[in-house]
Amino acid sequence: QKEVEQDPGPLSVPEGAIVSLNCTYSNSAFQYFMWYRQYSRKGPELLMYTYSSGNKEDGRFTAQVDKSSKYISLFIRDSQPSDSATYLCAMIDSGNTGKLIFGQGTTLQVKP
Amino acid sequence: DTAVSQTPKYLVTQMGNDKSIKCEQNLGHDTMYWYKQDSKKFLKIMFSYNNKELIINETVPNRFSPKSPDKAHLNLHINSLELGDSAVYFCASSHVREGTQYFGPGTRLLVL
Repeated sequence: QKEVEQDPGPLSVPEGAIVSLNCTYSNSAFQYFMWYRQYSRKGPELLMYTYSSGNKEDGRFTAQVDKSSKYISLFIRDSQPSDSATYLCAMIDSGNTGKLIFGQGTTLQVKP
Repeated sequence: DTAVSQTPKYLVTQMGNDKSIKCEQNLGHDTMYWYKQDSKKFLKIMFSYNNKELIINETVPNRFSPKSPDKAHLNLHINSLELGDSAVYFCASSHVREGTQYFGPGTRLLVL
């Protein structure tokens, strides 16, 4: 079993839809949670970074962390065709080695 | 202007050859990383250096040897290339170990 599980999709939604992307994890030592967006043939870029349980909002993006359930989510409101990309969740443990453990990534397509 | 850069962008080579990939960051970060992304887009850490000291060394064949001549550079040398080494290799850097990691554009390696 992988430390971080993420449904690879693909996920296809119409423009304007609310998108929900999720990851589950098994290691309770994970303390820092991130969402990266990766466009085709590009490097991952950080979207959201959270430390504790709860919600964090940035524009159309909301990251949610539930440590008790070992579950994190990313919500995208009013999705746009430019949001079409692969979304990767990533986590770092409290040992602070800096080793990011990634989910497999979910491919999202937003259709105009 | 580029934060994390890698050369070359594409690398096509024959099995058995030796090749190097170079990475440079101009962000003033202390920690640099090498990741491998396979054909299913799964991103896995290989190595990490902090202030030129190796701090993460995952289970990677010893044909892969990282070298950090200074804090701003982390190179990856691969000996005796195999078909299974074909992947996209990403360099990343962060200010501190648990900090945001910034990724380079990737080097697409194809071993024939």
